[in-house]
Amino acid sequence: EIVLTQSPGTLSLSPGERATLSCRASQSVSSSSLAWYQQKPGQAPRLLIYGASNRATGIPDRFSGSGSGTDFTLTVSRLEPEDFAVYYCQHYAGSLTFGPGTKVDIK
Amino acid sequence: QVQLVQSGPEVKKPGASVKVSCKASGYTFTVHFIHWVRQAPGQGLEWVGWINPNTGGTNYAQKFQGRVTVTRDTSISTAYMELRRLSSDDGALYYCARANYNFAPFLDYWGQGALVTVSS
Repeated sequence: EIVLTQSPGTLSLSPGERATLSCRASQSVSSSSLAWYQQKPGQAPRLLIYGASNRATGIPDRFSGSGSGTDFTLTVSRLEPEDFAVYYCQHYAGSLTFGPGTKVDIK
Repeated sequence: QVQLVQSGPEVKKPGASVKVSCKASGYTFTVHFIHWVRQAPGQGLEWVGWINPNTGGTNYAQKFQGRVTVTRDTSISTAYMELRRLSSDDGALYYCARANYNFAPFLDYWGQGALVTVSS
């Protein structure tokens, strides 16, 4: 079973700063199977990125995804106030697996 | 617009069963798998299983095998998740989500969640 690890656990940044979130898989995975979600308190998760680098419908271009093999990255180029949230990576290989999440909070 | 509307909160005693519904609208129900994901208070996301609404085929996380059943009623575009032999560890928000595909599934629309509380 593939295990996803996300780092850091918490990222404290100011609006306007760049956020770089990491998702590492325990073994090499297909980029097609890697997605990222954003979750705000009291809300359901929202799809941001699928196939490692494709933005979902309506997602601003300040969000970008990259990576391959075991290492994937979600980048928010300039944090807006509404971007402070928890971010999860997800992989599928017969079953769905989520990473433990990275919380981006206001410094 | 695509919507997934879930049933309301439930309070159950340990050992009981719960059945949560998820009504889909705004798209053809039988085209997209429905996944179930749960989230315990203050915790991360945990996958429960999926159903193919077209065939009724299912796949469950090993952790829930034998204790969960996901079904659907295509006439009313609704999926159901039943979890049996509840324990306090099952207290969580249960989400349904629609799967879309780009060589592999991702969850593009989510329900609002259904809170299940397990308490004696």
